Amino acid sequence: KNQVEQSPQSLIILEGKNCTLQCNYTVSPFSNLRWYKQDTGRGPVSLTIMTFSENTKSNGRYTATLDADTKQSSLHITASQLSDSASYICVVRATYSGAGSYQLTFGKGTKLSVIP
Amino acid sequence: DAGVIQSPRHEVTEMGQEVTLRCKPISGHNSLFWYRQTMMRGLELLIYFNNNVPIDDSGMPEDRFSAKMPNASFSTLKIQPSEPRDSAVYFCASRPDRGETQYFGPGTRLLVL
Repeated sequence: KNQVEQSPQSLIILEGKNCTLQCNYTVSPFSNLRWYKQDTGRGPVSLTIMTFSENTKSNGRYTATLDADTKQSSLHITASQLSDSASYICVVRATYSGAGSYQLTFGKGTKLSVIP
Repeated sequence: DAGVIQSPRHEVTEMGQEVTLRCKPISGHNSLFWYRQTMMRGLELLIYFNNNVPIDDSGMPEDRFSAKMPNASFSTLKIQPSEPRDSAVYFCASRPDRGETQYFGPGTRLLVL
């Protein structure tokens, strides 16, 4: 069964500190992995999308890594800001089967709180 | 561009009533997605359209749910009859033909009493 597990469930850090969020998946066959940021009461916003051949991708202070062998990804946030407080969702897409299947498996998210 | 537009933003209805959620994708985007989000289940993909044609509706929970895309600039998600367990935030997202990035709307928060 395809699954995406995220850890920790929640995290509190001080403003200015770094943090790393984890995503482990069992989705197969793998197509890509996405990280989304979702502010409270808003829709998710895409941070990064990584394919099998990419092992790191940055978007400003956000850096995602992917180890396709161990089926693990991490999202590293550098010099956190109060505006980074949000839920971060890991989503893995399986290879398009050609039979009308768009297979996405969602993690439950990590709720990050950045405090002054 | 105004982004993906959803209406209404909030909907409160009674069990058994019909609910219609609306979405206007970003102009020029060929793909449209409907999602549901709850605390218990997180985000779930309900249905995916490409060029106004439903490609994958395997996530639609049951026959009470239906979705249409009569043209490239409008889609609806209908629940009939609604039940309390349908209470959730429903998101619409669109994506251009090239690329994987989806752009989400602000969501419709549905409460079925």
